[in-house]
Amino acid sequence: KAGVTQTPRYLIKTRGQQVTLSCSPISGHRSVSWYQQTPGQGLQFLFEYFSETQRNKGNFPGRFSGRQFSNSRSEMNVSTLELGDSALYLCASSSGTQENIQYFGAGTRLSVL
Amino acid sequence: EDKVVQSPLSLVVHEGDTVTLNCSYEVTNFRSLLWYKQEKKAPTFLFMLTSSGIEKKSGRLSSILDKKELFSILNITATQTGDSAVYLCAPIGGSWGKLQFGAGTQVVVTP
Repeated sequence: KAGVTQTPRYLIKTRGQQVTLSCSPISGHRSVSWYQQTPGQGLQFLFEYFSETQRNKGNFPGRFSGRQFSNSRSEMNVSTLELGDSALYLCASSSGTQENIQYFGAGTRLSVL
Repeated sequence: EDKVVQSPLSLVVHEGDTVTLNCSYEVTNFRSLLWYKQEKKAPTFLFMLTSSGIEKKSGRLSSILDKKELFSILNITATQTGDSAVYLCAPIGGSWGKLQFGAGTQVVVTP
């Protein structure tokens, strides 16, 4: 079974631009969660989608948004980029029940200049 | 507010040593706890612990959960340089799709 695939792997943007990251979950998984990882804050939850619906959201500003398609693929968008948005963005997929294990993609490294 | 504290934050050991990593948590509607290993990129799953007092083992790694005292331990015996990584614990609570990660323990195994 293929794992979680994230594209692109690396991105360099400038302040004020917007960016879209993509995540393809493991086949059969309907839940996709997004996390931001920085050296100072560690891994922080952004949001989770299940069957095209956002079920949960972390404490991030509205510039961070996402969506999920009918094939469970998910995208995350960050608008009006700030320097502090530089981070590793990880997505994880699971079957969607409470106890299920999340499997992570390799991440997208975003650098904002 | 949910809280996860891992200790120590980092440690350096020699190959062959045993390490014990700690994770204490306060999570609303606790269901289970996950351990992950993160080298350079994606965290990789190690264990899921749901029941108190039952040890999970995989090779040289083992882990146990104490639901009464709200902590978990990850042990690595006969460490190898390939065990060098950040180890993360993440309890699962009542919040859909959200893992509340601790800061992690950075383990460095020297030859």
